[in-house]
Amino acid sequence: QSALTQPASVSGSPGQSITISCTGTNSDVGAYDYVSWYQQHPGKAPRLLIYDVHNRPSGVSNRFSGSKSGNTASLTISELQAEDEADYYCNSYASTNTYFFGTGTKVTVL
Amino acid sequence: QVQLQESGPGLVKPSETLSLTCSVSGGSISTYYWSWIRQPPGKGLEWIAYINYSGRTNYNPSLKSRATISLDTSKSQFSLKLNSVTAADTAVYYCTRGAGWYPYWSQGTLVTVSS
Repeated sequence: QSALTQPASVSGSPGQSITISCTGTNSDVGAYDYVSWYQQHPGKAPRLLIYDVHNRPSGVSNRFSGSKSGNTASLTISELQAEDEADYYCNSYASTNTYFFGTGTKVTVL
Repeated sequence: QVQLQESGPGLVKPSETLSLTCSVSGGSISTYYWSWIRQPPGKGLEWIAYINYSGRTNYNPSLKSRATISLDTSKSQFSLKLNSVTAADTAVYYCTRGAGWYPYWSQGTLVTVSS
């Protein structure tokens, strides 16, 4: 089993919405509602944005939302802002009782 | 507010053992799961292992034979040992609270494997 697949990069203009996909298998993303998402700015520790597919921790903007369909989870960022420019990672529980991160997506705000 | 701070050598020689300790403050270590996650320079995140309040452990299969995670509740610390390190183990190592989703992270410490 290996890392979950994410697009290397996604871009959008301020105010637009973008969606980052996270594709796994029916042994991880497709089997469990244990997908989380993280934002990481350069030189900083990751920050939890979403857990259990669509739950937002307190303090996280409602511009960030999560969903899942089949073996693919998605993170949508609405009303894109300059501060959203960062790397984003998904994470999922797997049937082997382990956890896998996605390959990471660089978001660029045009 | 929960805070985590890792400590340990920033340079380890090949074939030796990497040892890191994470000190937890602002909350009880005896309640949650605790994990180590690493990130090679310029690359993605990799979960290494977790330990829970009762000492139950679980490891990434790719590292299981080399990694050991432990908990010291009296000191509010948990630790990671990774033996037989190579250059591929060079990474920023994070200690976190949780298993599966991680609301609290340390700042990260770069460990370089080099002679």
